[in-house]
Amino acid sequence: EVQLVQSGAEVKKPAESLKMSCKASGYVFTDYWIGWVRQVSGQGLEWVGMVYADGSHARYSPSFQGQVSLSADKSTNTAYLQWHSLKSSDSAVYFCARLRLYDAFDVWGQGTILIVSS
Amino acid sequence: SYVLTQPPSVSVAPGQTARITCGGSDLETKIVHWYQHKPGQAPVRLVNGDSDRPSGIPDRFSASTSGNMATLTITRVEAGDEADYYCHVWHTHAVFGAGTQLTVL
Repeated sequence: EVQLVQSGAEVKKPAESLKMSCKASGYVFTDYWIGWVRQVSGQGLEWVGMVYADGSHARYSPSFQGQVSLSADKSTNTAYLQWHSLKSSDSAVYFCARLRLYDAFDVWGQGTILIVSS
Repeated sequence: SYVLTQPPSVSVAPGQTARITCGGSDLETKIVHWYQHKPGQAPVRLVNGDSDRPSGIPDRFSASTSGNMATLTITRVEAGDEADYYCHVWHTHAVFGAGTQLTVL
């Protein structure tokens, strides 16, 4: 069974750093990209960016360029979304999803809740 | 930046047909993907503009695109179809519509 399992909920303070994960199983990890999508409470889905499974290429939404870093480790079939300095406006649910380049997000993780509050 | 426009809400009685639209420039030149998202769950890929459905998605869900408008059609609507529905295209970057809340009366 193809699965993406995301790391647990996080509560952080502004200016702290965070690296959340998305572990894939059930398919050849390097056949796909991993995309990240944000959902702020009460709002819609918003694309953050995507990373190729071997970590060699990453593409970012203009809204998130410079704000987050995407990486992936093919030895552990895991993709990561990282912040160096969190803001309260980063509070949201973050989903990872599998995709082939410029295709549909065909399998989704369960989401990670991030709360950033002083 | 590229914008996809969806109605905020659509209401339909059980057993009837729901149509959710998604408008965007030159949409017929793009592949439009549709997702269902229920609160507290992961989004689910439903269908794309050619009515290509993943296994497990009922054929009650279909999609079409004409001109600048894409439409998700749900026939024989059930209570369990109540959810938010999003369209998505690639325009250099991934673009999602704002979502349509489907209410089953």
